[in-house]
Amino acid sequence: NAGVMQNPRHLVRRRGQEARLRCSPMKGHSHVYWYRQLPEEGLKFMVYLQKENIIDESGMPKERFSAEFPKEGPSILRIQQVVRGDSAAYFCASSRGGEGTGELFFGEGSRLTVL
Amino acid sequence: AQSVAQPEDQVNVAEGNPLTVKCTYSVSGNPYLFWYVQYPNRGLQFLLKYITGDNLVKGSYGFEAEFNKSQTSFHLKKPSALVSDSALYFCAVRVLYTGGFKTIFGAGTRLFVKA
Repeated sequence: NAGVMQNPRHLVRRRGQEARLRCSPMKGHSHVYWYRQLPEEGLKFMVYLQKENIIDESGMPKERFSAEFPKEGPSILRIQQVVRGDSAAYFCASSRGGEGTGELFFGEGSRLTVL
Repeated sequence: AQSVAQPEDQVNVAEGNPLTVKCTYSVSGNPYLFWYVQYPNRGLQFLLKYITGDNLVKGSYGFEAEFNKSQTSFHLKKPSALVSDSALYFCAVRVLYTGGFKTIFGAGTRLFVKA
């Protein structure tokens, strides 16, 4: 039973390029969460998605960042025109959702470096 | 605002000694509380949770946590620390929304266990 799969694990981009981070939740999970972790800092909530719906994007920067979770395929976190301050580890987590047990299952993260 | 606080950035303990990592919370309604552990360059792993029932919750790797409603605390404990317990520990609270939930994390506490 595969866990949460994130790719790429490491991504290097130059300023102004686009970064696309993918997340496949655990089998049977329909709720996906994206978090950002800056070096030596905690996890900051970015966005909560269900299939084809954005439930809560209160943690997403207003510009350049977008997320989707289509009916088919992985969830995508997209960062346009990256800047150095976007360098961070981006973690995806999934849960069964609803009245489930509540704990999140995390991927290994995607580490973005902006040159 | 609903939040969770970890007052210590770092905790140092000698191997074999008991350890405590502190967490306090602020939520409306009944709290759903979690502890996660993160090893270097890895995603977070679930340790234990409190939903309801016995105030002392036992989890993975010999860890336990005590829910204290009057002090709004959920401290993580272990009777005898191991060097391999050295990691970053996150306390988290689950916040309910219509149609799902969101997990809010504390800033994290880095645990160093010396041999």
